[in-house]
Amino acid sequence: EAGVAQSPRYKIIEKRQSVAFWCNPISGHATLYWYQQILGQGPKLLIQFQNNGVVDDSQLPKDRFSAERLKGVDSTLKIQPAKLEDSAVYLCASSLDNRDVRRFGNGTRLTVT
Amino acid sequence: AQTVTQSQPEMSVQEAETVTLSCTYDTSESDYYLFWYKQPPSRQMILVIRQEAYKQQNATENRFSVNFQKAAKSFSLKISDSQLGDAAMYFCAYRTLEYGNKLVFGAGTILRVKS
Repeated sequence: EAGVAQSPRYKIIEKRQSVAFWCNPISGHATLYWYQQILGQGPKLLIQFQNNGVVDDSQLPKDRFSAERLKGVDSTLKIQPAKLEDSAVYLCASSLDNRDVRRFGNGTRLTVT
Repeated sequence: AQTVTQSQPEMSVQEAETVTLSCTYDTSESDYYLFWYKQPPSRQMILVIRQEAYKQQNATENRFSVNFQKAAKSFSLKISDSQLGDAAMYFCAYRTLEYGNKLVFGAGTILRVKS
């Protein structure tokens, strides 16, 4: 099966600019997750979707981060405006349902200067 | 809230030897899942092994095995016959069975394999 696809692979922006990341989950996977992984730390869940509905966004900084999964398939995570502390790897994962094993993409490395 | 602690920031092992990575967690739940994920430089998180808390038997996947001590809330990973391809960051993770089945990661252990 094709894996979780993410783009871009790398992104460098200046602070206060905006950026968007894209994720296409494994076909048939109803649950989609966005994680933020700061250097030297484990991934932290930002938002979890079940189909096109939000299950958990308690750790999402909603003043600057937004995410959508309009058709219940692919998803976009946006940061506007970016801060230096947003420099991290953003990982997308998907699973059949929230009890299933998460399958991860290769992530996007964001550098904010 | 559940927490996962990996006390070894970095470990080294000689090729073909055995290494054990440590993990402890804190929870008040009686049933849950535990995982070890591997993250190579490609950044993709790859599932290595999983353990269901209600199963007393330790999980094994080829050269990878765990030592699950539920009372001590300990979940260590043993890698036997270490290979150069095992070099990566290893994350221990806890998954609750509560609503959302949230997955919580430790800070990771870098494993270096010497030839």
